[in-house]
Amino acid sequence: EADIYQTPRYLVIGTGKKITLECSQTMGHDKMYWYQQDPGMELHLIHYSYGVNSTEKGDLSSESTVSRIRTEHFPLTLESARPSHTSQYLCASSGYSYMNTEAFFGQGTRLTVV
Amino acid sequence: GEDVEQSLFLSVREGDSSVINCTYTDSSSTYLYWYKQEPGAGLQLLTYIFSNMDMKQDQRLTVLLNKKDKHLSLRIADTQTGDSAIYFCAESIGNTDKLIFGTGTRLQVFP
Repeated sequence: EADIYQTPRYLVIGTGKKITLECSQTMGHDKMYWYQQDPGMELHLIHYSYGVNSTEKGDLSSESTVSRIRTEHFPLTLESARPSHTSQYLCASSGYSYMNTEAFFGQGTRLTVV
Repeated sequence: GEDVEQSLFLSVREGDSSVINCTYTDSSSTYLYWYKQEPGAGLQLLTYIFSNMDMKQDQRLTVLLNKKDKHLSLRIADTQTGDSAIYFCAESIGNTDKLIFGTGTRLQVFP
């Protein structure tokens, strides 16, 4: 069973608010990822990290920011939420094993900005 | 750039085989994966194949890789209603291990 947790599961918030989506894993994984999933299913990589103090932007441009101060924690922040940010956000982590880079996913946070 | 494409929808009768296809563009992929997403849940790894393999079988699942054509497929034998879900193929890119996912295929199994 994967030990990666996202909070909150659901969030409805007004335009202009600052929000932070939390993601924590207890597996000691170095690599962590944030994906945005459209209602039509497609997953887009928006941020990833190879370890503490390492963050990279993914393929889909996003107004969100991330930080990686601790190995187990990879929060995503939106300074000013807009309706266009409404989506499902999935966090994942994977170990540093060369033989298998299986990613474990959290349950996701469904964000609605009204 | 990296691009992973899948057909969007597949409908099969219970007991038949399902074949989900995926094409990718990055030739430096090291591993290719199949993930399953059930409603309201995150993704779970089903199986993976190393890029120098042609085929991998795991119980009801068979993965075929045609590296020349950059084509990956997942065959599910004796498909059950519990197999209804969205299936994503994914590739890890070269030395970065960046994980890029396909567009997802929604599999619907009817009795």
